[in-house]
Amino acid sequence: QVQLVQSGAEVKKPGSSVKVSCKASGGSFSSYAISWVRQAPGLGLEWMGGIMTVFGAPNYAQKFQGRVTITADESTNTAYMELSGLRSDDTAVYYCARASIRSPIMVTIDYFDSWGQGTLVTVSS
Amino acid sequence: EIVLTQSPGTLSLSPGERAALSCRASQSVNSNYLAWYQQKPGQAPRLLIFGASSRATGIPDRFSGSGSGTDFTLTISRLEPEDFAVYYCQQYGTSPPYSFGQGTKLEIK
Repeated sequence: QVQLVQSGAEVKKPGSSVKVSCKASGGSFSSYAISWVRQAPGLGLEWMGGIMTVFGAPNYAQKFQGRVTITADESTNTAYMELSGLRSDDTAVYYCARASIRSPIMVTIDYFDSWGQGTLVTVSS
Repeated sequence: EIVLTQSPGTLSLSPGERAALSCRASQSVNSNYLAWYQQKPGQAPRLLIFGASSRATGIPDRFSGSGSGTDFTLTISRLEPEDFAVYYCQQYGTSPPYSFGQGTKLEIK
């Protein structure tokens, strides 16, 4: 059973960047898609973007285009999400989640069957 | 982009009662590619249902999913104390974004 283990909590200043990691252990990383989902305090789940690890092509929600960069390193079974231009409303718990790939051409994936434990990012001056 | 609307926002019930949570899509969900997740405070979401009606591994059979097209329902037949949580639906039938509903909070009455 794969486990996704994320890096620890971060406190950042407005305008700076944060990079969160997600390492898969106990299972294969290849041929899966890793997505990043965030949850602001007291609010719901928001899909930010994802990457099909073996194909290497990321895709992003329009809201985050230009501010988020998602990468994956197959050699270490680790995915990364970097968010720049941080604002106070980026304060949230950031989760990585794994899904099987249905079609790399259509960029369709299946449901999220494994989740990381979450990383709290606090943006404060 | 498919928008998912969940109702009610909050559902107050007692243990032993039956719960029905609704998820309505702004357009038809391809091949019923709809999932339900449970989230408890301080925890990551957990997959309950995929393909609108298939239970994930280890999920008790008191949880069931139904529906097709634009209307989906998560039913919990007899509520246990550990079932009180927030539930989200999510569609994965199209290319990104893979949208979530806003959630239904199931609270003890």
